[in-house]
Amino acid sequence: AQTVTQSQPEMSVQEAETVTLSCTYDTSESDYYLFWYKQPPSRQMILVIRQEAYKQQNATENRFSVNFQKAAKSFSLKISDSQLGDAAMYFCAYRTPCPSGLRKTGNAGNMLTFGGGTRLMVKP
Amino acid sequence: DARVTQTPRHKVTEMGQEVTMRCQPILGHNTVFWYRQTMMQGLELLAYFRNRAPLDDSGMPKDRFSAEMPDATLATLKIQPSEPRDSAVYFCASGPLQGRGTNEKLFFGSGTQLSVL
Repeated sequence: AQTVTQSQPEMSVQEAETVTLSCTYDTSESDYYLFWYKQPPSRQMILVIRQEAYKQQNATENRFSVNFQKAAKSFSLKISDSQLGDAAMYFCAYRTPCPSGLRKTGNAGNMLTFGGGTRLMVKP
Repeated sequence: DARVTQTPRHKVTEMGQEVTMRCQPILGHNTVFWYRQTMMQGLELLAYFRNRAPLDDSGMPKDRFSAEMPDATLATLKIQPSEPRDSAVYFCASGPLQGRGTNEKLFFGSGTQLSVL
């Protein structure tokens, strides 16, 4: 079974500084997707960034970037120029692609497996 | 903006009562998920539908929980009878049918916060 681990329950960063959130995962699959979701106090789960395992290039979205180390099964999120609005819970998630019409045992296509989350605090 | 709509946003009920949570997935999305979020367990998958058919509900306590999609615009999650340990935030999410290489996303609703006294 696939598992996702976030070893940092809480992180703190000064406004305008950079912070890195860690995520590791365990899988026997070679093809999969990784995600970082943000959950602010409003509870809404917001997709921050997405990485396809077959792509070697690290994904970036404005101030958010990832360090994807496939061999180490590591997928960290870097937030640059932190802003007060970045304060939230951040969840790392994993899923495998599922061929159309088929269900993969253990992780049905599109099913996300989440890590336990990291609470990020941003200090003004 | 298209969004997943969940109702109610908050629900307080007494132990033993039936609870029904509703979800309207984004039009055109044919996969629907129910997740439960608690402090202790984090986000757990309860049920998964594709084209309205239940594909995976192994994470759901069968004796008291049931999930259905009576039509493409409505998914329901029922708890009967409810217990205090069911107190959690329940999320519904929807997405397009996935295939390799598609630029898919999973969209979450704002959740239903359930408190069972």
